[in-house]
Amino acid sequence: GENVEQHPSTLSVQEGDSAVIKCTYSDSASNYFPWYKQELGKRPQLIIDIRSNVGEKKDQRIAVTLNKTAKHFSLHITETQPEDSAVYFCAAIPFGNEKLTFGTGTRLTIIP
Amino acid sequence: DTGVSQNPRHKITKRGQNVTFRCDPISEHNRLYWYRQTLGQGPEFLTYFQNEAQLEKSRLLSDRFSAERPKGSFSTLEIQRTEQGDSAMYLCASSRTSGYYNEQFFGPGTRLTVL
Repeated sequence: GENVEQHPSTLSVQEGDSAVIKCTYSDSASNYFPWYKQELGKRPQLIIDIRSNVGEKKDQRIAVTLNKTAKHFSLHITETQPEDSAVYFCAAIPFGNEKLTFGTGTRLTIIP
Repeated sequence: DTGVSQNPRHKITKRGQNVTFRCDPISEHNRLYWYRQTLGQGPEFLTYFQNEAQLEKSRLLSDRFSAERPKGSFSTLEIQRTEQGDSAMYLCASSRTSGYYNEQFFGPGTRLTVL
């Protein structure tokens, strides 16, 4: 089955700086890669996703890149703000499968 | 609130007791998923339904766990003879079926503590 690794497990950045979270996956059949943000005590919420036919996707201050050859994808947050503090999870899912496999999460702390 | 809802939000039980959780998906969603999340980890897939049919179960779902979705709307997850290792957040998610892959919307979860 799919295995997703995520780094780093914790990340602290100064407000206004950029944050990058990296994930690798094992199943070459995986073709959909969502990123979820989970604030303390709240539900995971999708913030951006990318499909395997696209190399990069951007939505305002967040972007995701995908390297299918290397089987890794990354989340980039620019101009970080205090409300970006949360745990971020990457996930992968193979085509025709319904099972999301999540990474272990990155706790992002924005320092004012 | 038209999102996914789960009840109860918190459950404390003694080891050996049975517990049941309920999930109400977004009304037009025909797929429903259960995940388990332990502290410091990402959610782990347990099972999913398309309408009332349970189509996949994880090896994590031992025979003490059973899930149902009798009318293709709400779902229940029952854990029999609870063990301390069952303590976790149980998350429900739902999605539509329309072609490619569709976003899974998560509920707030039920936090289970087994004493």
